[in-house]
Amino acid sequence: NAGVTQTPKFQVLKTGQSMTLQCAQDMNHEYMSWYRQDPGMGLRLIHYSVGAGITDQGEVPNGYNVSRSTTEDFPLRLLSAAPSQTSVYFCASRGTGGVYEQYFGPGTRLTVT
Amino acid sequence: GESVGLHLPTLSVQEGDNSIINCAYSNSASDYFIWYKQESGKGPQFIIDIRSNMDKRQGQRVTVLLNKTVKHLSLQIAATQPGDSAVYFCAENNRAAGNKLTFGGGTRVLVKP
Repeated sequence: NAGVTQTPKFQVLKTGQSMTLQCAQDMNHEYMSWYRQDPGMGLRLIHYSVGAGITDQGEVPNGYNVSRSTTEDFPLRLLSAAPSQTSVYFCASRGTGGVYEQYFGPGTRLTVT
Repeated sequence: GESVGLHLPTLSVQEGDNSIINCAYSNSASDYFIWYKQESGKGPQFIIDIRSNMDKRQGQRVTVLLNKTVKHLSLQIAATQPGDSAVYFCAENNRAAGNKLTFGGGTRVLVKP
């Protein structure tokens, strides 16, 4: 199993540009989520999905869109990048049915200038 | 790799000593708690978990204590090793809120040789 994979590892965007951060998992997990991590802060939940076709907002959803067309993939879209979105982004997945152990991807470091 | 948590509280510990990392959680309805370890440039890794109906759980060199009266969680690492240097996060799960994990701010542990 590759676990949770994320691409790209690093990205630099100009203000106003759009891009998609990719996330995939091969563990057949129903639950997937996106977090951002800023210096001095813990991880904050952006969006999550409890299964294909279902998404919901987390703590800091503004400026981001997600979709979940398959169990494996959960892309995060930045519609119009802003410097405030400079952060490290982590995708995570976990099983359901009372199993809460969450597996994280290696992260994408995004800089918006 | 990305240097996250530049302003995190830091615990310096001598190699071989025991470490205690503390965490205060916010929601008395949280039913499950997890400790994660994050090394520089990597995603968080699961260390140990505890359900709200327990007050202590032991793993290999690690022990988690839960005090629901004061909403406090701690992680004890026995015989701390250089490889334990990392940022440690606690997370609380609230099943009633859709099993969303909420992360604490993190503590950096530095092991001195």
